[in-house]
Amino acid sequence: DTGVSQDPRHKITKRGQNVTFRCDPISEHNRLYWYRQTLGQGPEFLTYFQNEAQLEKSRLLSDRFSAERPKGSFSTLEIQRTEQGDSAMYLCASGTQDSPTSGTQYFGPGTRLLVL
Amino acid sequence: SQQGEEDPQALSIQEGENATMNCSYKTSINNLQWYRQNSGRGLVHLILIRSNEREKHSGRLRVTLDTSKKSSSLLITASRAADTASYFCASSRYGQNFVFGPGTRLSVLP
Repeated sequence: DTGVSQDPRHKITKRGQNVTFRCDPISEHNRLYWYRQTLGQGPEFLTYFQNEAQLEKSRLLSDRFSAERPKGSFSTLEIQRTEQGDSAMYLCASGTQDSPTSGTQYFGPGTRLLVL
Repeated sequence: SQQGEEDPQALSIQEGENATMNCSYKTSINNLQWYRQNSGRGLVHLILIRSNEREKHSGRLRVTLDTSKKSSSLLITASRAADTASYFCASSRYGQNFVFGPGTRLSVLP
């Protein structure tokens, strides 16, 4: 257990529905990342927050995807009008800006999404 | 953009043998990390090596970094069945722009 939690752990939804995932990072971490991972592949970067500011978004993040980190603590990732191609594991990670450990990410267990 | 690529994609060895995995990236970095992922689980950080370091050890793990070749290797010595997992490298600059490769799937047979 890294201290990063994600909820829910599993989500099954029908195509066209909206889904929202939550990530609670390690409390003192000011950086928060979202990734998507499909079977047999490495994590693909989606977006990154430093405190409450969303500093980077991947081109993979279509306009159906939105992420927030309103108070610089937990974050939510929403997918609107889900498609079958959205089926994947969604991973959250947190980290710090401190020099000795900058670059280390602590991952949550992931939310596995299945779109029927 | 940076691109981590691990090699080989799959590796099968006997318990007690050493396992070596390689990683390449395309642009300049501040550091490179290796992670392990057990099937269906989140990633676990193993080791971080900075761009000004050439080699780092942690227990049975040894990581090397060659910035001139933009490559890194992960050596697991005296492997155990519990080392069976996928291993990923991730390169970054200033804690941003993380790029993961497709990973090496390691199977350690008892």
